Amino acid sequence: NAGVTQTPKFRILKIGQSMTLQCTQDMNHNYMYWYRQDPGMGLKLIYYSVGAGITDKGEVPNGYNVSRSTTEDFPLRLELAAPSQTSVYFCASSLDTQYFGPGTRLTVL
Amino acid sequence: AQSVTQLDSQVPVFEEAPVELRCNYSSSVSVYLFWYVQYPNQGLQLLLKYLSGSTLVKGINGFEAEFNKSQTSFHLRKPSVHISDTAEYFCAVSGPREETSGSRLTFGEGTQLTVNP
Repeated sequence: NAGVTQTPKFRILKIGQSMTLQCTQDMNHNYMYWYRQDPGMGLKLIYYSVGAGITDKGEVPNGYNVSRSTTEDFPLRLELAAPSQTSVYFCASSLDTQYFGPGTRLTVL
Repeated sequence: AQSVTQLDSQVPVFEEAPVELRCNYSSSVSVYLFWYVQYPNQGLQLLLKYLSGSTLVKGINGFEAEFNKSQTSFHLRKPSVHISDTAEYFCAVSGPREETSGSRLTFGEGTQLTVNP
């Protein structure tokens, strides 16, 4: 099992550009999550999903969108990138325990 | 609502010394508790978890933690650390898995453990 995979590993965006962060899991977990990690701030939940077709907002959803068309995939969309979205983004999936992907380091200039 | 407080942002220790990383939580419901480790430029790896049963939980790499309900704590310990244990450690809490929200985690802000030779 690959577990949770994320692409890309790194990305630099210009202000106003858009992009999609990809997340795929092969553990057949219903629950998936997107977090952002800022220095000294721990992880903050952006969006989560309890199954295909069902998503909901977390603590910091502004500026992001998600979709969940399959159990395996949970992409995160940034429509108009802003410098405040410079962060490391982690995807996770779970039953009772969350398992994390390796992260995407995003810089918005 | 749940919250997690990691009492030390940085813990420097010498190699082979014991270490304790402190975590306190607050919650109005029964809790599941977790410790994750993050090595530089990597994702979070599960160290150990408490879901139910014995309050002393053993994890990977020689770490253990004790759930203390009366003190609402879940401190992480290792009797003898190695240089390779240098990493950031996160304590997290969730309630029991719910149909509508899964197992949403609330994280502490992390403790940077630095093991010096």
